Amino acid sequence: EDQVTQSPEALRLQEGESSSLNCSYTVSGLRGLFWYRQDPGKGPEFLFTLYSAGEEKEKERLKATLTKKESFLHITAPKPEDSATYLCAVLYSGNTPLVFGKGTRLSVIA
Amino acid sequence: DTAVSQTPKYLVTQMGNDKSIKCEQNLGHDTMYWYKQDSKKFLKIMFSYNNKELIINETVPNRFSPKSPDKAHLNLHINSLELGDSAVYFCASSQDASGNEQFFGPGTRLTVL
Repeated sequence: EDQVTQSPEALRLQEGESSSLNCSYTVSGLRGLFWYRQDPGKGPEFLFTLYSAGEEKEKERLKATLTKKESFLHITAPKPEDSATYLCAVLYSGNTPLVFGKGTRLSVIA
Repeated sequence: DTAVSQTPKYLVTQMGNDKSIKCEQNLGHDTMYWYKQDSKKFLKIMFSYNNKELIINETVPNRFSPKSPDKAHLNLHINSLELGDSAVYFCASSQDASGNEQFFGPGTRLTVL
């Protein structure tokens, strides 16, 4: 069973059309939830860390929120340069490694 | 002023060969990682080293052997390469072993023929 599930797998938006990406996790004992952006042919680039339910972080057109079971990455008025794969990763309690979801591939069309 | 660098960027080789990928970070971090990203873009941890000591060793064939000569370097040696080893391998580093914010290298695309 996947511990981290991201939806949708792919999302196509018109420029300026706001939307949200979802990341849900199934195991308790969350130490942190991370959002990364990955461009084709490059390594993931860190965006946000969220530690507790109710926490929010913002960066330009992106806003990440966290509840007890899921996180949302809201994209407001996206631009074509926001096109990328967005990865969610979860760190659980104990000496466990970061567990990544399979990502949401976002395409923003001008 | 590259933070995490990997060499080579591309590696094409025959089945059965032995190859190495090198990684270096100039961030002064204590912890380094190797990840494998398969054709479906799924990113999975392979190894983690903290201050040159192995702390995470996921279910990876013995043909994969990481080596950390110092805190700034973590190399990956692969013996007897198989077709299924074809993937993109990413090196990453973080301040400490808590797993927080990780900085990734550009990746090494390994193709086994």
